[in-house]
Amino acid sequence: EDKVVQSPLSLVVHEGDTVTLNCSYEVTNFRSLLWYKQEKKAPTFLFMLTSSGIEKKSGRLSSILDKKELSSILNITATQTGDSAIYLCAVGSGGGADGLTFGKGTHLIIQP
Amino acid sequence: DVKVTQSSRYLVKRTGEKVFLECVQDMDHENMFWYRQDPGLGLRLIYFSYDVKMKEKGDIPEGYSVSREKKERFSLILESASTNQTSMYLCASSFSHDTGELFFGEGSRLTVL
Repeated sequence: EDKVVQSPLSLVVHEGDTVTLNCSYEVTNFRSLLWYKQEKKAPTFLFMLTSSGIEKKSGRLSSILDKKELSSILNITATQTGDSAIYLCAVGSGGGADGLTFGKGTHLIIQP
Repeated sequence: DVKVTQSSRYLVKRTGEKVFLECVQDMDHENMFWYRQDPGLGLRLIYFSYDVKMKEKGDIPEGYSVSREKKERFSLILESASTNQTSMYLCASSFSHDTGELFFGEGSRLTVL
């Protein structure tokens, strides 16, 4: 059974801090690892990492895939209150129709 | 932009009622999915469909059924709602050839009394 584990489950930091969120996985036929941000509604896509693209960066957010360690990190620098959200890690395996296996999420709270 | 629309944002139903949750996508995606999201449990896959009239069970299909009569529409059915089906339900879609990115609807928050 595919498994995705995120840590920590919750995190409270102050505005301006840098945070690192972790995701580890055990899946058969790894295809991709995705990060989503969820505020009060639908998850919104952040990054997708695959064997051919193990590092992604967008503004203050960046992510790295470590295929040897079967894990990924999501870094957020100079955090802002708008970064408060649940961050979901998901892994795609097998065929494209199989959907994604999600971790339980990291609930990040940024205090002013 | 891809749009996945869920017909009801909030529903309140009574135990034993039949519940329909509708989802429509406008990007001609082959694959569609229903997840439920609960605190501490994350997103769990209920059912998915990779083509019209095709459906596959996900990790937690018990108590649910689905219908996909048209490519753009995927319905989740609770034949007899129970209180443990109180949850946030998320519909998603994707291309079949893609490496996995899902496009999500806004969610339907169902409360069963």
